[in-house]
Amino acid sequence: DVKVTQSSRYLVKRTGEKVFLECVQDMDHENMFWYRQDPGLGLRLIYFSYDVKMKEKGDIPEGYSVSREKKERFSLILESASTNQTSMYLCASSLLATNEKLFFGSGTQLSVL
Amino acid sequence: GQNIDQPTEMTATEGAIVQINCTYQTSGFNGLFWYQQHAGEAPTFLSYNVLDGLEEKGRFSSFLSRSKGYSYLLLKELQMKDSASYLCAASGYSTLTFGKGTMLLVSP
Repeated sequence: DVKVTQSSRYLVKRTGEKVFLECVQDMDHENMFWYRQDPGLGLRLIYFSYDVKMKEKGDIPEGYSVSREKKERFSLILESASTNQTSMYLCASSLLATNEKLFFGSGTQLSVL
Repeated sequence: GQNIDQPTEMTATEGAIVQINCTYQTSGFNGLFWYQQHAGEAPTFLSYNVLDGLEEKGRFSSFLSRSKGYSYLLLKELQMKDSASYLCAASGYSTLTFGKGTMLLVSP
């Protein structure tokens, strides 16, 4: 089975800190995604990547950046964390195109104080 | 853009049948996914419909009507472990767009 691993399950940071969320997949998937999930708002796409060093903005990219230096690793960066970025962050990967099912990591609950 | 609508909450009793509806308005629609998400866990894949009609997979079935922009997930012989959030997601040109999810509570 595909395994998508997120580096932290829970994270507490202070306003203004730079935050790195790491995601690694072990099945040579081309596509990787970062979502945030908030009560009443569902899953919203922040950024995605179809290839190494390639990135595309999702629906809510403001305040975030990403890095994909290696195929298996996709990092989400909060340049200056703010309280409205407190959320559950979910990383996902898929083999090829958008009609392929997503495999999700277990999520990182980020609290920004 | 894409717009996905599904009910916020549903309740049902153990052993019953429940149908969770999803309507979508999209550009560049490819197909419709259903995911299950238990509290505190990651979403897991349930089904993917590309063509119109019903696809059955054990106790779960999923239906799609492309002309009506409508899908449903049918859960039969409900079990307590089916209590979860069910996410409808439309596959478009380049990404998936998720609905807000339907929280299903199964009671004894």
